[in-house]
Amino acid sequence: AQTVTQSQPEMSVQEAETVTLSCTYDTSESDYYLFWYKQPPSRQMILVIRQEAYKQQNATENRFSVNFQKAAKSFSLKISDSQLGDAAMYFCAYRIQGAQKLVFGQGTRLTINP
Amino acid sequence: DSGVTQTPKHLITATGQRVTLRCSPRSGDLSVYWYQQSLDQGLQFLIQYYNGEERAKGNILERFSAQQFPDLHSELNLSSLELGDSALYFCASSIGQSKWETQYFGPGTRLLVL
Repeated sequence: AQTVTQSQPEMSVQEAETVTLSCTYDTSESDYYLFWYKQPPSRQMILVIRQEAYKQQNATENRFSVNFQKAAKSFSLKISDSQLGDAAMYFCAYRIQGAQKLVFGQGTRLTINP
Repeated sequence: DSGVTQTPKHLITATGQRVTLRCSPRSGDLSVYWYQQSLDQGLQFLIQYYNGEERAKGNILERFSAQQFPDLHSELNLSSLELGDSALYFCASSIGQSKWETQYFGPGTRLLVL
């Protein structure tokens, strides 16, 4: 079965600090894409960052970066210089070749302490 | 704003009733996806349409059906509603069907079945 596991139901960080959210996944496929989505209190799902499995270089988007370890099937999200607006649920997801659906983890609720 | 619109934002109805959720994809997107977010099941893929044709099915109940119209908007029909159908229903869209494409999510429709 294809699964995504986010082992941290909740995380908190001080404003301006760095936090890392964990994600592991289970697939036998070699070609797939990984995503982190953010869901703020408004409930809108917002794409944060994505990573192609065939790329060894970790993706970065401003203060957001990933640590992609393909052999370990790990895809963590690092948020640098945390801001109050980063407070949200964060979902890790992946999509394999030939499949149309995104498979999501259970989410990590991130709290930013001022 | 992702460019994906969903109506209505909120819906309250009774058990046994039928409701229709509507989604308009981003301009130019041919694929529409429906997801259900509930407390116990998390985010789950329901169904996908591409240019009017059903392309993938997930954990969609037989009481649920969907379609995509020639103008590419989509509707998700939920019938014989049960308390457990209460959830946030998301529509997402992408340009086509490639695995590398980002799915952009709408704001969701919150359904409450009483």
